Amino acid sequence: AQSVTQLGSHVSVSEGALVLLRCNYSSSVPPYLFWYVQYPNQGLQLLLKYTSAATLVKGINGFEAEFKKSETSFHLTKPSAHMSDAAEYFCAVRFPQGGKLIFGQGTELSVKP
Amino acid sequence: EPEVTQTPSHQVTQMGQEVILRCVPISNHLYFYWYRQILGQKVEFLVSFYNNEISEKSEIFDDQFSVERPDGSNFTLKIRSTKLEDSAMYFCASSVGQNNQPQHFGDGTRLSIL
Repeated sequence: AQSVTQLGSHVSVSEGALVLLRCNYSSSVPPYLFWYVQYPNQGLQLLLKYTSAATLVKGINGFEAEFKKSETSFHLTKPSAHMSDAAEYFCAVRFPQGGKLIFGQGTELSVKP
Repeated sequence: EPEVTQTPSHQVTQMGQEVILRCVPISNHLYFYWYRQILGQKVEFLVSFYNNEISEKSEIFDDQFSVERPDGSNFTLKIRSTKLEDSAMYFCASSVGQNNQPQHFGDGTRLSIL
């Protein structure tokens, strides 16, 4: 079955530290991959997307993600966390010829001063 | 930048009542979606809509649910007879296309069933 798993429902980092949010998918064909961010009381905002043009994808707010087919992963990173990065982050996949997004459980990122 | 707008932001309804959630997708988008997020759980797909008909729906989207695009700009989700378990945040999304085209989300409607 097609699925998305985000390891860690809650990640806490210090300001200035590396952010690493993990996402793995399960599928027989490579999907299209997305990361969304949700700030409190707001909708889902697209951070970045993987579309097979390049395995390392750069997004907004200094985030980037690397697609690793052998590991079926699409982990999200940011070299230096900022207080404003505190939010919930969702990995989502969309399979070829499909429309719907399948979301992971979400990871809440906290940033300590 | 164009955005998806949803109204109301919060809806409180008695169990058994009908509720209509409204969305205005981005104007040149062709695909429309509803998702829901029960408190503390993941975002779940409900239904997708293209060319004035439902293209896909989940098992959550039973006979109590319906969608409509009545006037070429609004996209509505109707729940005919609400249940307590319908309490959730409902998100509307739209996209230009499928596959690698991202979906753009509204801020959601928080539906509370009493």
